[in-house]
Amino acid sequence: GEDVEQSLFLSVREGDSSVINCTYTDSSSTYLYWYKQEPGAGLQLLTYIFSNMDMKQDQRLTVLLNKKDKHLSLRIADTQTGDSAIYFCAEKLTGANNLFFGTGTRLTVIP
Amino acid sequence: NAGVTQTPKFQVLKTGQSMTLQCAQDMNHEYMSWYRQDPGMGLRLIHYSVGAGITDQGEVPNGYNVSRSTTEDFPLRLLSAAPSQTSVYFCASRATDRGMNTEAFFGQGTRLTVV
Repeated sequence: GEDVEQSLFLSVREGDSSVINCTYTDSSSTYLYWYKQEPGAGLQLLTYIFSNMDMKQDQRLTVLLNKKDKHLSLRIADTQTGDSAIYFCAEKLTGANNLFFGTGTRLTVIP
Repeated sequence: NAGVTQTPKFQVLKTGQSMTLQCAQDMNHEYMSWYRQDPGMGLRLIHYSVGAGITDQGEVPNGYNVSRSTTEDFPLRLLSAAPSQTSVYFCASRATDRGMNTEAFFGQGTRLTVV
């Protein structure tokens, strides 16, 4: 099956930029997504990118997609303590009903 | 407008017991799904439904049953609980007319422990 990988932990200082990375193996993706999960809560869709795009910016969030290297990243500018959470990337493949999720990256923002 | 509501939030079962995890949404979404979340793994799809009366298996369906008699409700049944089913379960829904075609609304999760 599809393999979507993320590093498990990331720590940054408040005000710095955070970059969360994700790699995947199946190139037949249609959309790629970033979700945020706060403690005790469900997943919240943050942003997404269509597979024929290279970049998408949404306020403090920038998504970069390198299809050749099968690499997706999420950059959070001016990271705040409220950004501390687990971030999941997910991929939707052509013809598939389900999403393939990465293992999640726990972002800790140090005041 | 409550979104996606799951009950219960926590449950402890003995091996062999059965139970139903409830999921309801009030957004008139056609598509609903159940995922399980295990440590060190991403969410994995158990079952999904594209509308009332229609269900299908996901990636890890064994040991679970679902039904969809109404648009609002999508319960998940564990027939005979096993320790391997200890997990956090999420219900999700989406409108089928969304261009990006993904689960946009998740419930808060049910933490299930099977002893």
